[in-house]
This record gives sequence, structure tokens and C-alpha cells, in this order.
Amino acid sequence: NAGVTQTPKFRVLKTGQSMTLLCAQDMNHEYMYWYRQDPGMGLRLIHYSVGEGTTAKGEVPDGYNVSRLKKQNFLLGLESAAPSQTSVYFCASRGQGYEQYFGPGTRLTVT
Amino acid sequence: GQNIDQPTEMTATEGAIVQINCTYQTSGFNGLFWYQQHAGEAPTFLSYNVLDGLEEKGRFSSFLSRSKGYSYLLLKELQMKDSASYLCAVAYLGAGSYQLTFGKGTKLSVIP
Repeated sequence: NAGVTQTPKFRVLKTGQSMTLLCAQDMNHEYMYWYRQDPGMGLRLIHYSVGEGTTAKGEVPDGYNVSRLKKQNFLLGLESAAPSQTSVYFCASRGQGYEQYFGPGTRLTVT
Repeated sequence: GQNIDQPTEMTATEGAIVQINCTYQTSGFNGLFWYQQHAGEAPTFLSYNVLDGLEEKGRFSSFLSRSKGYSYLLLKELQMKDSASYLCAVAYLGAGSYQLTFGKGTKLSVIP
């Protein structure tokens, strides 16, 4: 099993450009999460999903959209990137227990 | 709301014991996690406490006191590879799902 994978691993965007980050899990988990991690701020929840076709806002949702069309995939979209969205983005998934399993992260720079 | 505090940085000597503290104020508490995160890598699960007391797992132990809003992670026989950030996270019931609120992490440096 690959666990949780994220693509791409690195990306540089210009202000105003758009992109989609893909998260995939092969553990048949119901719950999936998107976090961002910034120096001195810790991990903060952007959006999450409790199952296929459902999404909900987390702590810092502004400027991001998500979709969960298939159970194994959770997409994070930036419609118009801003320098404040420069961060490391982590996806995580969870089954029926409490433990979340994290992907390797996507390092995004917006210039 | 959720509020989690842990020290920003700690330094300890190889072979020694170190205790990383975490205090929290939260509504709807459903357990406390510790994660380890090496630089440039994803967080990995270390421990989960939902009841008061000490949970031991090899060189790592985690303690919880719900009445005091306090937890610690104890690392014994420190090794150089233990140099990492340690993240305290509280589980709570959000809209439709249990969620985690993370502290800012404690960066541990192990020196020879």
C-alpha cells in the first residue's frame, strides 16, 4: 500500500495563477483533510471531508476550494494564488479510529 | 475554541531523558495525540491518550491529565535520530467529524 500520496511535490506559481493539489489514499478511509504548515504557526486545517461527495470548512478556508468526487481522492484548488498562500500543504486521511495518516506534503511558493 | 501551548525549542544530550510538555484549553476533548516530524517530512504518529495516565511504547511514553489540561511526552535513551519537531494535537468533535487542533510544535535538538 502506498498510503497517502500527494502531487505535485513542489510548485512555484505567480500571483493570480491557479492550480490543483491532488491527494490520494489507498486505505479506504472515509475522512480526509487538508492542512497548511507555516513557520511558527503549526498545522492549520483548511478543509476536510467526511465522505465521498462531502466537504466542510476548517480553520483557514479562505482562498481555497476542495472536491471529493471519489472516495480515494481529495483535491485542493487555489483559484487565484496569493503570496500569503506560500506554504507546505499536507493531506491526511483517517479511518474509523482517531489517528490521521499524513502524505509527504506539497511545497508551494507564490511569487 | 482550542488553545494549545508547548515550548518552541529544547536541547538534550544523547543518551539522556527529555520531557516535552503540552497544555491545552479546549471544548469537546476527545483525546490527545503526539506526532513526530523530521525536517522536510510528514508528521508521523507517536501516541494517543484519551484517559488519564501514562502510556508507554518503547523509548517513548505519553502522559495525560484531563483535569489539568496537561500532557507530556517522555523520550528516554535519546538518540541523534530523535532530533525532530514534536507536535501536540487535541482531538475534538467538529461538524460531522473528529478533528485535530495542533500546537506549534517543539523542535528538539539532540547533541552528542
